[in-house]
Amino acid sequence: EDQVTQSPEALRLQEGESSSLNCSYTVSGLRGLFWYRQDPGKGPEFLFTLYSAGEEKEKERLKATLTKKESFLHITAPKPEDSATYLCAVPANSGGSNYKLTFGKGTLLTVNP
Amino acid sequence: DTAVSQTPKYLVTQMGNDKSIKCEQNLGHDTMYWYKQDSKKFLKIMFSYNNKELIINETVPNRFSPKSPDKAHLNLHINSLELGDSAVYFCASRGWVNTEAFFGQGTRLTVV
Repeated sequence: EDQVTQSPEALRLQEGESSSLNCSYTVSGLRGLFWYRQDPGKGPEFLFTLYSAGEEKEKERLKATLTKKESFLHITAPKPEDSATYLCAVPANSGGSNYKLTFGKGTLLTVNP
Repeated sequence: DTAVSQTPKYLVTQMGNDKSIKCEQNLGHDTMYWYKQDSKKFLKIMFSYNNKELIINETVPNRFSPKSPDKAHLNLHINSLELGDSAVYFCASRGWVNTEAFFGQGTRLTVV
């Protein structure tokens, strides 16, 4: 069964303390891996799409990377406003040509000033 | 201009009632979804429609009935609400299978 596993479940960082979040997946025939950010009381906000192993995407203090089994979201010198839940998702086949976007359980990131 | 909008944002109702949540997208996408997010923040897919046709139904109780009058709208009707239905429900839309989905702001349903 296709699965998406994120770790750690929660991460506390001091402002400026760099770290990484992990998303491992077991999907046959990857059709993209998506990273989202979710703030309390809001819907998930799209960050990045990665399609092939070795690909990297960057946005401000965030950099997403992809291997054949997992993706990392690297956060460099985080600020308190980076505090959010970070979700990764992959399209998983649900029969025929139909795909459902399957999410991991997310990592709750808290950045203290 | 909001891409995916759902109403209402908050819904408090008593057990046994019937309620509806509406969703509209202006992105021209063919595929729309309903997701349920529980208290532990896990996003679980409920339904998916492609061009008004139901293509995914993730063993959701029959009390939940989605309806898509056109490809820009996907509504969710819930009959005989139960306490366990309390959650945040998100609508989303998507273009091609390998592109990102866009989410609405969510509807927090509280059943008392």
